[in-house]
Amino acid sequence: EAGVAQSPRYKIIEKRQSVAFWCNPISGHATLYWYQQILGQGPKLLIQFQNNGVVDDSQLPKDRFSAERLKGVDSTLKIQPAKLEDSAVYLCASSLDSQAYEQYFGPGTRLTVT
Amino acid sequence: GDSVTQMEGPVTLSEEAFLTINCTYTATGYPSLFWYVQYPGEGLQLLLKATKADDKGSNKGFEATYRKETTSFHLEKGSVQVSDSAVYFCALRLAGNNRKLIWGLGTSLAVNP
Repeated sequence: EAGVAQSPRYKIIEKRQSVAFWCNPISGHATLYWYQQILGQGPKLLIQFQNNGVVDDSQLPKDRFSAERLKGVDSTLKIQPAKLEDSAVYLCASSLDSQAYEQYFGPGTRLTVT
Repeated sequence: GDSVTQMEGPVTLSEEAFLTINCTYTATGYPSLFWYVQYPGEGLQLLLKATKADDKGSNKGFEATYRKETTSFHLEKGSVQVSDSAVYFCALRLAGNNRKLIWGLGTSLAVNP
């Protein structure tokens, strides 16, 4: 079974530029999560989708971050414009549904904003 | 508010040593508790879980027991290997409709041969 795929693995941009991350969850998983993991901290949930609807985006900085999951499968997370404090690893995870105990994580995208 | 506190790292051990990584939590109701592991260059993986008080989760020689009286979920392994070197995260998920994971800061473990 293929795992959660993410791309790119690494990205370096200058502040005020824009960047997009892509995630393909495990086939059949209805729930998709985007997390931000700053070095030395635990993951912070940015947004949770159930199919193509948003369940929780309470910690998403909506002035600069946006995410979509148009067909209920893969998803993109965008930052525009980026700030220095956005430097982090962005993790995508999926689960069978919102009640499932296990979330399956992708390898993450390491973003450096200079 | 709801939170998870785990012991700070890094933890450095010799191969075959006994491992304990402490984790305590604060939560309303009856959360489920998890340990996730992040090996170098890889994504987070669920290591073990416990969904109710006195449950013991176990996997790959690791164990953790859900202790409601002490609000703890300490991770233990009797004999660590070099391949156990990773970052370990304790997390909880609240009962009810809000099933968001709440994470600890992670504990880095290095096992030397």
